[in-house]
Amino acid sequence: GAVVSQHPSRVICKSGTSVKIECRSLDFQATTMFWYRQFPKQSLMLMATSNEGSKATYEQGVEKDKFLINHASLTLSTLTVTSAHPEDSSFYICSAREGLLYNEQFFGPGTRLTVL
Amino acid sequence: AQKITQTQPGMFVQEKEAVTLDCTYDTSDQSYGLFWYKQPSSGEMIFLIYQGSYDEQNATEGRYSLNFQKARKSANLVISASQLGDSAMYFCAMWEDSSYKLIFGSGTRLLVRP
Repeated sequence: GAVVSQHPSRVICKSGTSVKIECRSLDFQATTMFWYRQFPKQSLMLMATSNEGSKATYEQGVEKDKFLINHASLTLSTLTVTSAHPEDSSFYICSAREGLLYNEQFFGPGTRLTVL
Repeated sequence: AQKITQTQPGMFVQEKEAVTLDCTYDTSDQSYGLFWYKQPSSGEMIFLIYQGSYDEQNATEGRYSLNFQKARKSANLVISASQLGDSAMYFCAMWEDSSYKLIFGSGTRLLVRP
């Protein structure tokens, strides 16, 4: 299957700093990328949907000024957590969709963010 | 209302036995897709199986099969011949064309006993 990478896999930062997480589709062009957040022992919650070259669509309750998403190319989307605080500590997972078929959505390995 | 419901927070199964993980869904779409993912402790989401709403036959992928009952809006995952490596979180998810998103259930933690 297609491969999606995320970088970094783990990041620890101080409160107040900004953190950028990259999501790349390695062997296909992703028309749409999705960003999820997962708290310990909970399910994945969709944060936003991004399409290449356009603004991301955020889910209700997700602060777009805090979680900046950029989908500059068909293989790269970035999530920047601005002015991170301890409550932003979570597991962030991206997925990429290649085409129109339901099963063409591939997940990255996730990024564990810890804000001290 | 919950779009995807997984009523079993945790399940035990003996190695080599079969286990069924429950999933019910709610949608008014005619066209939708149902997925099962496995998430080991490493956190990666591993795709297991997919069922389209128009598929008449239940999906199967090796030891995994999806018991799709459209009228009941259920999409249970059956794992046959459980292995120790099957111990993980399992998520049921639904894709709706109308919302253009994949919605996840709360998950079931499966523990396979030797």
